[in-house]
Amino acid sequence: GESVGLHLPTLSVQEGDNSIINCAYSNSASDYFIWYKQESGKGPQFIIDIRSNMDKRQGQRVTVLLNKTVKHLSLQIAATQPGDSAVYFCAEYNNNDMRFGAGTRLTVKP
Amino acid sequence: ETGVTQTPRHLVMGMTNKKSLKCEQHLGHNAMYWYKQSAKKPLELMFVYNFKEQTENNSVPSRFSPECPNSSHLFLHLHTLQPEDSALYLCASSSQGDNEQFFGPGTRLTVL
Repeated sequence: GESVGLHLPTLSVQEGDNSIINCAYSNSASDYFIWYKQESGKGPQFIIDIRSNMDKRQGQRVTVLLNKTVKHLSLQIAATQPGDSAVYFCAEYNNNDMRFGAGTRLTVKP
Repeated sequence: ETGVTQTPRHLVMGMTNKKSLKCEQHLGHNAMYWYKQSAKKPLELMFVYNFKEQTENNSVPSRFSPECPNSSHLFLHLHTLQPEDSALYLCASSSQGDNEQFFGPGTRLTVL
């Protein structure tokens, strides 16, 4: 079946470095994507979204890139801070069908 | 913080117990969701309610019984659960036609 997945389960970066978290999806009909951040003991929190008619979208310190050719989504975090330590997962949407990735745990080293 | 609250935050129950999880949203949304989050697994959608009507039930065992008395409140009634049901249960809400969901902090459930 089709699924949403992440390339790496864990990512460790130095404070101040940039982070890149990847997500692969296999449903070419998906037209909307969201990145969520989930800190320990909390529910997922919306970070940024992108529609399939775009290939890049920027927020505050975060950028999402969408490559529909290879069905790949990435989240870039600039100047990673200790407060960015969390699990990040992507979600893909196709009409009313949504699927979530398992998540990547980002650890920021001081 | 997100406008979605869940109680209790932690729950330990035996397999013969009956308990209920509660979710309340203060955002004026009309869709509410229950998810199960197990370690190292993707979020699993359990139930969806739109305008108090259940619109989705993803093959969830009958030992989980949802209730949505109004657009602001959602319950998940638990009965004769199994140890493998231990997980974080998340509630979320959204506006109709909006894919962005706002999540509560979850209830950490442990079934002994």
